[in-house]
Amino acid sequence: GQNIDQPTEMTATEGAIVQINCTYQTSGFNGLFWYQQHAGEAPTFLSYNVLDGLEEKGRFSSFLSRSKGYSYLLLKELQMKDSASYLCAVRTLTGGGNKLTFGTGTQLKVEL
Amino acid sequence: DGGITQSPKYLFRKEGQNVTLSCEQNLNHDAMYWYRQDPGQGLRLIYYSQIVNDFQKGDIAEGYSVSREKKESFPLTVTSAQKNPTAFYLCASSENTGELFFGEGSRLTVL
Repeated sequence: GQNIDQPTEMTATEGAIVQINCTYQTSGFNGLFWYQQHAGEAPTFLSYNVLDGLEEKGRFSSFLSRSKGYSYLLLKELQMKDSASYLCAVRTLTGGGNKLTFGTGTQLKVEL
Repeated sequence: DGGITQSPKYLFRKEGQNVTLSCEQNLNHDAMYWYRQDPGQGLRLIYYSQIVNDFQKGDIAEGYSVSREKKESFPLTVTSAQKNPTAFYLCASSENTGELFFGEGSRLTVL
């Protein structure tokens, strides 16, 4: 099975930078995703890593180290609207195809 | 516009009743998924399907059933065997190597 760990809650200040970590243990690794979810809404896609290294996308960046089973999401120039839950998800290749397993999410609160 | 449509958005059910949640996509995606989310929790995989007429159990399949008779449709039935069915249910689809696109979700409450 898979084991995906991320912090439950984080608090940061508007305009600052925050890093949300995700560690995982899995077999058949086939990519890692980050999603943002506001309360009561469906998750929206933020980033995807399948190879080691950093992927940058505007204010959001995501890093992956497959050998360490580790990823982080970096949010820069935080805005109040960034207050949300951030979900790390690992894709694995199974006999039945690709399966995406989510962590429990990190609730980020952005304060003035 | 292409997307995923889930219905109903809100559903109330009496204990002992089966209920079916609809999920339709017009993105021409091969893969479809059903997740359950409880308050303050992440998403847990119920069932997934990579192609028509084939589907796999996820991590919490007990008490649920699905079918995949058409590429665009992946309905989920919550049976009376599901002990704690009150939750937010999310359907998603993807190309096999791509990101998941989610529907808006169905909120089921058992009275």
